Amino acid sequence: EVQLVESGGGLVQPGGSLRLSCTASEFTFSSYDMHWVRQATGKGLEWVSGIGTAGDTYYPGSVKGRFTISRENAKNSLYLQMNSLRAGDTAVYYCARGEYCTNGVCSSPFDYWGQGTLVIVSS
Amino acid sequence: QSALTQPPSASGSPGQSVTISCTGTSSDVGNYRYVSWYQQHPGKAPKLMIYEVSKRPSGVPDRFTGSKSGNTASLTVSGLQAEDEADYYCSSYAGSNSWVFGGGTKLTVL
Repeated sequence: EVQLVESGGGLVQPGGSLRLSCTASEFTFSSYDMHWVRQATGKGLEWVSGIGTAGDTYYPGSVKGRFTISRENAKNSLYLQMNSLRAGDTAVYYCARGEYCTNGVCSSPFDYWGQGTLVIVSS
Repeated sequence: QSALTQPPSASGSPGQSVTISCTGTSSDVGNYRYVSWYQQHPGKAPKLMIYEVSKRPSGVPDRFTGSKSGNTASLTVSGLQAEDEADYYCSSYAGSNSWVFGGGTKLTVL
């Protein structure tokens, strides 16, 4: 069974930094795009970043320039470096599997999710 | 990009059908077939229920169906069961390798 396990969340002061990790198992990690999605308490889901199999990265305007997504295929691991954190970044951060494409056919993105890790930005 | 618009709540009695809408724009829902729906129970991670507008992953009951018309996608849950009570979210590809989610709909089984 596909597993995604996030870690690294915690309490950080405004302006501080935090690095989240996601360890994947039971699938060929290097063949899939990967994403981070966050959810503030009582709020909806928000896509935070994505990374392709070639290491190409994508961000929404709300985090561009502050967050950096990366991957280490040898360790089946996904990371999210978060800098200049603000109170509005407080949320549960989920790691989610993205697409796997072969011969022009792609699987569904966001088909598996981790259990999430809580980030609290507060003084 | 702006979040997709979903009604905050929906409800139905056991056995009934309920439809949840997800309204976007011609830059996301209206332009791509990559619309998905997720079910989230309290304290749990989201679970994929529908992808590419109307496809069901293995293991998802056929009581869950998806459709799309123009800029609005819909999720219909037929034969409502108590375990269907949860939050439901839609998502859409929004171009340029970006994705957008909806604000969520709380489904109550009366």
